[in-house]
Amino acid sequence: EPEVTQTPSHQVTQMGQEVILRCVPISNHLYFYWYRQILGQKVEFLVSFYNNEISEKSEIFDDQFSVERPDGSNFTLKIRSTKLEDSAMYFCARKLEQGASYTFGSGTRLTVV
Amino acid sequence: KNEVEQSPQNLTAQEGEFITINCSYSVGISALHWLQQHPGGGIVSLFMLSSGKKKHGRLIATINIQEKHSSLHITASHPRDSAVYICAGGSQGNLIFGKGTKLSVKP
Repeated sequence: EPEVTQTPSHQVTQMGQEVILRCVPISNHLYFYWYRQILGQKVEFLVSFYNNEISEKSEIFDDQFSVERPDGSNFTLKIRSTKLEDSAMYFCARKLEQGASYTFGSGTRLTVV
Repeated sequence: KNEVEQSPQNLTAQEGEFITINCSYSVGISALHWLQQHPGGGIVSLFMLSSGKKKHGRLIATINIQEKHSSLHITASHPRDSAVYICAGGSQGNLIFGKGTKLSVKP
């Protein structure tokens, strides 16, 4: 099965700046997810996306976060005004259908300074 | 609240040893995933289980639904198996992750 590529692999940004993390390419999968892992901690769920809509989101996913599939292929996570505590590894994941296994992206390491 | 607990947190083994990592999960989780995370950070899906046992190469995953317990076994361990192994529980939606077990296999 094709891998899930994330770009960039590492991004350093100033606090307060907007960042967009991308998950490419996405083929015919229906279910998409963003997870994050703060250094030394467990992976946490952010948001799930099905049929071009958010289907579920966690408490972490506040108004500073948004997701979209702007061109039907790329799946993006935008953080509008980054905070120091947003520094983490961000993973996108996809699955073909309900009950299927997940394929994770290679991750984007975000560092907010 | 759905939860996933793993043990041990850290595990050091000699090459060739048989390794077991355990995972307990709460009510509401219908499928259990075993994942592998290498030092670079990438996550690879190893198994998804809702019943019974699965085997892939030297890796074996089992699940006991009544006891809400799953195990990941590695036979004839090798230094290249060194990684963090994570169990994660899923139902209809997202995954709930355990804290991971850091495995180090010494030559």
